[in-house]
Amino acid sequence: NAGVTQTPKFQVLKTGQSMTLQCAQDMNHEYMSWYRQDPGMGLRLIHYSVGAGITDQGEVPNGYNVSRSTTEDFPLRLLSAAPSQTSVYFCASSATDYNEQFFGPGTRLTVL
Amino acid sequence: AQSVTQLGSHVSVSEGALVLLRCNYSSSVPPYLFWYVQYPNQGLQLLLKYTSAATLVKGINGFEAEFKKSETSFHLTKPSAHMSDAAEYFCAASDYGNNRLAFGKGNQVVVIP
Repeated sequence: NAGVTQTPKFQVLKTGQSMTLQCAQDMNHEYMSWYRQDPGMGLRLIHYSVGAGITDQGEVPNGYNVSRSTTEDFPLRLLSAAPSQTSVYFCASSATDYNEQFFGPGTRLTVL
Repeated sequence: AQSVTQLGSHVSVSEGALVLLRCNYSSSVPPYLFWYVQYPNQGLQLLLKYTSAATLVKGINGFEAEFKKSETSFHLTKPSAHMSDAAEYFCAASDYGNNRLAFGKGNQVVVIP
């Protein structure tokens, strides 16, 4: 099993550009989440999903969109990148609401 | 929503000494609790979790944590620090019925030879 995979590993964007961060898991997990990690802030929840077709907002959803058309994939879209979105982004999945989340390796995004 | 407090962003410990990282959660209803470790330029790896079974939880790499409801705490300990324990440690909590993890701000552990 590959677990949780994320692409790309690194990305540099200009302000106003859009892009999609990809996340896939091969563990048949229903729950998937996106977090951003900033120095001294820990990880903050952006969006999450409890199954295909069901998504909801987390703590910091502004500027990001998600959709979940399959169990395996949970892409994160930046609509119009801003320097404040410079961060490391982690995708995670979990089998149930009480199981631990498995994290991907992260995407380091810089917005100029 | 849960909130999690970890005090002391940087923690220095001598090799062979006790590692103690403190975590307090906000909810009056005990949540699910987790400790994760992050090595440089990597994702997060689960150290241990509390899901309302035993209050003393043993994890990987010799770490353990004790859930204390009266103190709303879930402190992480390891009796003897090793150089390989140098990493960032995060405490996280989620409420029953959802998978929304709230993280503390993390502790960067430095092990001094």
